[in-house]
Amino acid sequence: EVQLVESGGGLVQPGRSLRLSCTGSGFTFGDYAMSWARQAPGKGLEWVGFVRSRAYGGTTEYAASVRGRFSVSRDDYKSIAYLQLNSLETEDTAVYYCTRALTVDGAKYYFDHWGQGILVTVSS
Amino acid sequence: DIQMTQSPSTLSASVGDRVTITCRASQSISGWLAWYQQKPGKPPKFLIYKASDLESGVPSRFSGSGSGTEFTLTISSLQPDDFATYYCQHYNSFPLTFGGGTKVEIK
Repeated sequence: EVQLVESGGGLVQPGRSLRLSCTGSGFTFGDYAMSWARQAPGKGLEWVGFVRSRAYGGTTEYAASVRGRFSVSRDDYKSIAYLQLNSLETEDTAVYYCTRALTVDGAKYYFDHWGQGILVTVSS
Repeated sequence: DIQMTQSPSTLSASVGDRVTITCRASQSISGWLAWYQQKPGKPPKFLIYKASDLESGVPSRFSGSGSGTEFTLTISSLQPDDFATYYCQHYNSFPLTFGGGTKVEIK
């Protein structure tokens, strides 16, 4: 059974940093792209960032709202994907979800499994 | 960036009703569209990919259609477990974007 478990969330002051981790199990982690999405309280889903599998270069993509502040990385040996959140703003308060991304051709990706999510609250 | 617009934002329906949700893309995305279901306090659940292909295990009362810029999610006979919020998401290119969601509530 595929499982994704997020950790590292919590309360942080504006301008500070936080690193989220997503531990995957039940599948060959290194074969899949991994992604992060978020959901502000009472709002819809927003895609945040993405890292391709090593087979597709391990490169990353970001939403404009977080580019330059957030970064996604992966450690395939530990089966962990990371989301580094820097220069946090109150508008970054949200539940952050880790997702596994499926592709047919290495260019088109959608999300077939989601973690339970972890809350990040940015407040002074 | 490609914008995704869902309608309606809220839909009131009864058990047994046929329900249709529309998702429009600001430019053509061919058939690169996924649908998700989310219940309160839970992560989204993947339903459909490539506009009309049902994920394994998803009940056959769910179906998707469309291509280009207009897509629909249909629930042929609404069941109690289907009351939830539904999101479309394009994956034609980066950045990936979700629609604003459609809440299906009990009439």
